[in-house]
Amino acid sequence: ETGVTQTPRHLVMGMTNKKSLKCEQHLGHNAMYWYKQSAKKPLELMFVYSLEERVENNSVPSRFSPECPNSSHLFLHLHTLQPEDSALYLCASSQDFQWADTQYFGPGTRLTVL
Amino acid sequence: TQLLEQSPQFLSIQEGENLTVYCNSSSVFSSLQWYRQEPGEGPVLLVTVVTGGEVKKLKRLTFQFGDARKDSSLHITAAQPGDTGLYLCAGAKNTNAGKSTFGDGTTLTVKP
Repeated sequence: ETGVTQTPRHLVMGMTNKKSLKCEQHLGHNAMYWYKQSAKKPLELMFVYSLEERVENNSVPSRFSPECPNSSHLFLHLHTLQPEDSALYLCASSQDFQWADTQYFGPGTRLTVL
Repeated sequence: TQLLEQSPQFLSIQEGENLTVYCNSSSVFSSLQWYRQEPGEGPVLLVTVVTGGEVKKLKRLTFQFGDARKDSSLHITAAQPGDTGLYLCAGAKNTNAGKSTFGDGTTLTVKP
């Protein structure tokens, strides 16, 4: 148990569906991250929020829309996804958005797009 | 461009054997971290190394940061089935805020 929870753990959706992934951290951290993990590829950083402000958007398609209503919660809204978006989506948090801060990961949401 | 290359990509060994996995880069990092990820879970931090030449031990695991801070190795002594998992290295730069660069991982299977 890392103190970062994600729901749902598994999600299957069609290309026309709208769904949301949720992440919650119980560590009192100020920074939260979304990563995409695909087979045989390194973790790809998607978004970073620091003190509820988006500070990083790594050229992610607009069909992925993040939301950070407070420092403990992070959402990833999904709309009109493609089959190649199927992957494990990992949420992480760290004390601050600093190079020396350890990132703590949640268990991930396994997403399958049909 | 893959900044952190891990080798081997896959490793399958018998319980009791020793192994070493590598994380190499042409870039200098301010720190390097090793994570283990088990199936169905997120990565869990094992160690952070920050000083060139630094060696850290965690029970049967020995981590070394290269003198030039461009590479690292993880050595496991007398591997056990519980060591099975995906081992990831991640490098951080003090000029790059909290953005770490991850390697593509080494999948280790330890057979009983």
